[in-house]
Amino acid sequence: SQQGEEDPQALSIQEGENATMNCSYKTSINNLQWYRQNSGRGLVHLILIRSNEREKHSGRLRVTLDTSKKSSSLLITASRAADTASYFCATDLRAGGTSYGKLTFGQGTILTVHP
Amino acid sequence: KAGVTQTPRYLIKTRGQQVTLSCSPISGHRSVSWYQQTPGQGLQFLFEYFSETQRNKGNFPGRFSGRQFSNSRSEMNVSTLELGDSALYLCASSLEASFLSSGNTIYFGEGSWLTVV
Repeated sequence: SQQGEEDPQALSIQEGENATMNCSYKTSINNLQWYRQNSGRGLVHLILIRSNEREKHSGRLRVTLDTSKKSSSLLITASRAADTASYFCATDLRAGGTSYGKLTFGQGTILTVHP
Repeated sequence: KAGVTQTPRYLIKTRGQQVTLSCSPISGHRSVSWYQQTPGQGLQFLFEYFSETQRNKGNFPGRFSGRQFSNSRSEMNVSTLELGDSALYLCASSLEASFLSSGNTIYFGEGSWLTVV
């Protein structure tokens, strides 16, 4: 089963609105990363948040991490049509201090932003 | 600086054949990992290499193998292809993560689309 579970599976909004995606995971982690994937393309790294951090910002992105609830959220403010993509959370599991490149992904949230 | 480069981008193979995919990591990155993405299973970790050594391996059959060269470039090979191997294969690179680090950003390439017919 997937370590990370995104919610919702699909989200449809209008340009200018905010989009919030949630991710839950099951075991202790070193860090959590969010990625964006445009249709048929590779993954673009958005932001990394470490297990000892609670919130991070990058431009229009805000990520929170609640390790007690094993959950994270990604907020995209003032969304644009170009934000239309799939968004994935990926966890770096705590295993002997490092997991050697292994990220465990959720199934992703498909975000559609209508002009 | 250049990102992660994967070749070929698209290829079609016949069942039973084998395929080799190539990945050039970001300059200075020594860790290379591979992932398979399918509609049914999502993104799954295949293996990770560092300094020509496989350090981590996912739950895939032995038909899936890889290697890393001294310049950090990596290849993965799939032998005796099956229809279910049709997928997007993604390569990723990162700086080495030390034992005490909390992880490094992992950067992905555009992927290689493999279709098995």
